[in-house]
Amino acid sequence: DTGVSQDPRHKITKRGQNVTFRCDPISEHNRLYWYRQTLGQGPEFLTYFQNEAQLEKSRLLSDRFSAERPKGSFSTLEIQRTEQGDSAMYLCASSFGQGSTYEQYFGPGTRLTVT
Amino acid sequence: DQQVKQNSPSLSVQEGRISILNCDYTNSMFDYFLWYKKYPAEGPTFLISISSIKDKNEDGRFTVFLNKSAKHLSLHIVPSQPGDSAVYFCAALLRDDKIIFGKGTRLHILP
Repeated sequence: DTGVSQDPRHKITKRGQNVTFRCDPISEHNRLYWYRQTLGQGPEFLTYFQNEAQLEKSRLLSDRFSAERPKGSFSTLEIQRTEQGDSAMYLCASSFGQGSTYEQYFGPGTRLTVT
Repeated sequence: DQQVKQNSPSLSVQEGRISILNCDYTNSMFDYFLWYKKYPAEGPTFLISISSIKDKNEDGRFTVFLNKSAKHLSLHIVPSQPGDSAVYFCAALLRDDKIIFGKGTRLHILP
């Protein structure tokens, strides 16, 4: 297993377009997290899944954002009608286990630029 | 409102000396405190953690100290090596497994 992978690594889009990112977690990890990181900030929690169930969504996740994990394996994050403020690095992480699972393994991220 | 604060955006340390990265927090409900390390073009990687009921955890060259009364933790790296040059994020884990990150400190190890 090569770790968490994300696709694409970079995405440039025009304002108003829809974009979709994919995350493949480490196999057998039952938890999957999405974070957003902007310049000069640490990663900010967006949402997370346990298996296919989305358990929490941050208030940062506006109605234009939707995340899915249909079979409890890979996940997609879609942003509709992108805005310049959506430009950021989108990070995915996964972990395994019950209770506190602080050792989250991060992917390399998808850098989104909205022009 | 920043619950995890790293007030030093950058730090330069001579190779072989001790690097000390500091972090303050405001929420007493955190279960664990974590340090992540990030190289350019890579995601953060977990480095070391400490439970809120401990005051010290050591792993090789890395030691994390927790002062609950001051709501302060620090990461000590000794001796510092060139490969330690990276951005270090202090983070805290809430009971629902949400991690709250600080803004990071960029560590430069000087030859």
